[in-house]
Amino acid sequence: GIQVEQSPPDLILQEGANSTLRCNFSDSVNNLQWFHQNPWGQLINLFYIPSGTKQNGRLSATTVATERYSLLYISSSQTTDSGVYFCAVNSYSGYALNFGKGTSLLVTP
Amino acid sequence: DTAVSQTPKYLVTQMGNDKSIKCEQNLGHDTMYWYKQDSKKFLKIMFSYNNKELIINETVPNRFSPKSPDKAHLNLHINSLELGDSAVYFCASSPFGMNTEAFFGQGTRLTVV
Repeated sequence: GIQVEQSPPDLILQEGANSTLRCNFSDSVNNLQWFHQNPWGQLINLFYIPSGTKQNGRLSATTVATERYSLLYISSSQTTDSGVYFCAVNSYSGYALNFGKGTSLLVTP
Repeated sequence: DTAVSQTPKYLVTQMGNDKSIKCEQNLGHDTMYWYKQDSKKFLKIMFSYNNKELIINETVPNRFSPKSPDKAHLNLHINSLELGDSAVYFCASSPFGMNTEAFFGQGTRLTVV
């Protein structure tokens, strides 16, 4: 099946710093989503972005499907950004999302 | 007005028991899923139903049986619970198709003692 690799696995930032999270995938994809799992365990949809660039407040994402990667940018980080960020993709042969192992982010005051 | 809701949120039970987790979505989606998140936070698909029909059945012990009474509901029944079944189980839904956005419930943390 399709492989999804996220980097870095762990990240510690001071409040106000910017960061870039990366997601590489091993095959062409129909769908790519970024999620934030908050400390209470909820999976929150950030972006549905099989290609192109989107922005939502301090967060933005870019997917370059031809090169099989996606980037999630977090600017001016806040403590509430802490949690695990997951990238998940659908290959052309599957209906379900394949998840990466996540990037665990801790934003300190 | 919760989009995908699961009950219960927490479930603590003894080995050998049978338990069910319920899931309902009010998004009008045709497809529903069960995912399992293990202790290392890795999320993996277990089952998917489209309009009450099973379309994905990953390698999961047959003690796990999904049931979809209608396209808005997908329940997960687990027989003879084992310690290794302890995990967080997420229900999700999406419109039918490979390039559609999925939305997740809040998860059910199952602890088998």
